Amino acid sequence: NAGVTQTPKFQVLKTGQSMTLQCAQDMNHNSMYWYRQDPGMGLRLIYYSASEGTTDKGEVPNGYNVSRLNKREFSLRLESAAPSQTSVYFCAKGDRGSGYTFGSGTRLTVV
Amino acid sequence: EDQVTQSPEALRLQEGESSSLNCSYTVSGLRGLFWYRQDPGKGPEFLFTLYSAGEEKEKERLKATLTKKESFLHITAPKPEDSATYLCAVQAVNQAGTALIFGKGTTLSVSS
Repeated sequence: NAGVTQTPKFQVLKTGQSMTLQCAQDMNHNSMYWYRQDPGMGLRLIYYSASEGTTDKGEVPNGYNVSRLNKREFSLRLESAAPSQTSVYFCAKGDRGSGYTFGSGTRLTVV
Repeated sequence: EDQVTQSPEALRLQEGESSSLNCSYTVSGLRGLFWYRQDPGKGPEFLFTLYSAGEEKEKERLKATLTKKESFLHITAPKPEDSATYLCAVQAVNQAGTALIFGKGTTLSVSS
């Protein structure tokens, strides 16, 4: 989706492996978010960042870490992947008034 | 606890058959209610934001309305290209940061 770029689009990991999901925005929005989407569960917030250098936990943060080193980029790291982390991950940017813009997602499978 | 419930889970319509999707919410204080469209394999696409009871917004065949307890997405004379999952989300006063709480969505199928 225009404005938010996520990489990779697909990934298969073995249990215990680590990886970082990358997200970059093309504007200067302060707020960025990581959600996961699972069948029957809807979108759930993992972590968010209200501004450069700050991050906070969302509803389901266990097993994840994030990094907001600059205004453009917000990465999500899985230190030791588990099958329960198989999901579609979405990064989003934006604030209340402008509506949130989501990336096209990363489909992650942990075997 | 802040909650968003969407109904029905799935809706099948014939082309031209108007209907409504429901989003009921329970929040301590509403900052905004959002509607998104999501196509298979893609990220949610922003449709509308509603801020206060009585507010309405329209876009092509879609019209969103808001009361103090629920929102409706009315689809007038739908076409097959309106087939998608429609997501409702709220931003609550006591929600940390500006994050959204999502419902599970309504999957709409429109056949010709």
